[in-house]
Amino acid sequence: EDKVVQSPLSLVVHEGDTVTLNCSYEVTNFRSLLWYKQEKKAPTFLFMLTSSGIEKKSGRLSSILDKKELFSILNITATQTGDSAIYLCAVEQGGSEKLVFGKGTKLTVNP
Amino acid sequence: DTAVSQTPKYLVTQMGNDKSIKCEQNLGHDTMYWYKQDSKKFLKIMFSYNNKELIINETVPNRFSPKSPDKAHLNLHINSLELGDSAVYFCASSRTASPLHFGNGTRLTVT
Repeated sequence: EDKVVQSPLSLVVHEGDTVTLNCSYEVTNFRSLLWYKQEKKAPTFLFMLTSSGIEKKSGRLSSILDKKELFSILNITATQTGDSAIYLCAVEQGGSEKLVFGKGTKLTVNP
Repeated sequence: DTAVSQTPKYLVTQMGNDKSIKCEQNLGHDTMYWYKQDSKKFLKIMFSYNNKELIINETVPNRFSPKSPDKAHLNLHINSLELGDSAVYFCASSRTASPLHFGNGTRLTVT
């Protein structure tokens, strides 16, 4: 069965800390891996990863994919209270337009 | 504003009723989706339509019936609502091999 497993399920840090969120997957016909941030409403897109070893970066956030070991990490440096959210990892299956989501990591950044 | 918009935002109804949720996207995307997010924040695909044609139909009770009058709209009708249908329902859209754009969700509460 296709699955995406995120860890940890929740994380509480202080402002300024660096965090690493993990996502491992077992999915048939892998096409891409995506990271989303969900605050109160809609998940918003962060990164889309298709190739191993190429880091994608946006400000304090960065992500990388390892297709051999079947995982990805999302790093957030110098965390701020506004980074508090649920971070969702999803894997897209080729040919089906289907995203399989993990259960998310709830990140809480305290001032 | 370019967006995926869904209505209503909140829906409170009694068991046994029939209700509909509407979704529209003005992004020019070919594919639209319905996802269900349960109380544990787990997002799972329900349906996917590409140019008005059903392409994904996960194991969802047949009380749920999607309808796509055109490629910019995908509505979800639910018959004989049950307590377990309480969740947040997200509409989303995408181009092929591109990230999903989510609507803000409809919180359905069945009492």
